[in-house]
Amino acid sequence: GENVEQHPSTLSVQEGDSAVIKCTYSDSASNYFPWYKQELGKRPQLIIDIRSNVGEKKDQRIAVTLNKTAKHFSLHITETQPEDSAVYFCAAKRPPGGKLIFGQGTTLQVKP
Amino acid sequence: GAVVSQHPSWVICKSGTSVKIECRSLDFQATTMFWYRQFPKQSLMLMATSNEGSKATYEQGVEKDKFLINHASLTLSTLTVTSAHPEDSSFYICSAPATDTQYFGPGTRLTVL
Repeated sequence: GENVEQHPSTLSVQEGDSAVIKCTYSDSASNYFPWYKQELGKRPQLIIDIRSNVGEKKDQRIAVTLNKTAKHFSLHITETQPEDSAVYFCAAKRPPGGKLIFGQGTTLQVKP
Repeated sequence: GAVVSQHPSWVICKSGTSVKIECRSLDFQATTMFWYRQFPKQSLMLMATSNEGSKATYEQGVEKDKFLINHASLTLSTLTVTSAHPEDSSFYICSAPATDTQYFGPGTRLTVL
């Protein structure tokens, strides 16, 4: 089955700096890669996603890149703000069926 | 976007009792829903896939007789934790897909005394 590895487990940056979180997946048939942000005690919220036919996607300060050959994808947050502090999860989905397999999570702390 | 609700948001029960958690897709239909469990400071672990009108598919290591799943309609799936024990205390979250995107419920905090 699919296995998703996520690094780093914790990340601390100064406000205004960039943050990068990386994930690798094992199943080459996976074709959908979302990123979720989860604040303490709350549900995961989708922040950006990418499909396997695209190499990069950007939404304001957030971008995701995908390297299908190497089977890894990354989340980039620029100009970080204290409200970006949360746990971020990557995930991969293999068709059919639609179940998401999550990475271990990265706790991002943005220091003011 | 699509909305998924979950009830109750938290529950405290005595060891040995059963607890039912409901997951509803409010503005879309879902033939499939997913149940996750999340322990403190850990990732979301998929427990089972709930299929409308048929049996649920459980992930390896998840006891199907302990975690009963029923997907009675296109908008409702329920998870019943039977004979709950303190080690079952966790955050249970459901999700439902709308095309590729999965939308999560707000979660249920279960505490077993």
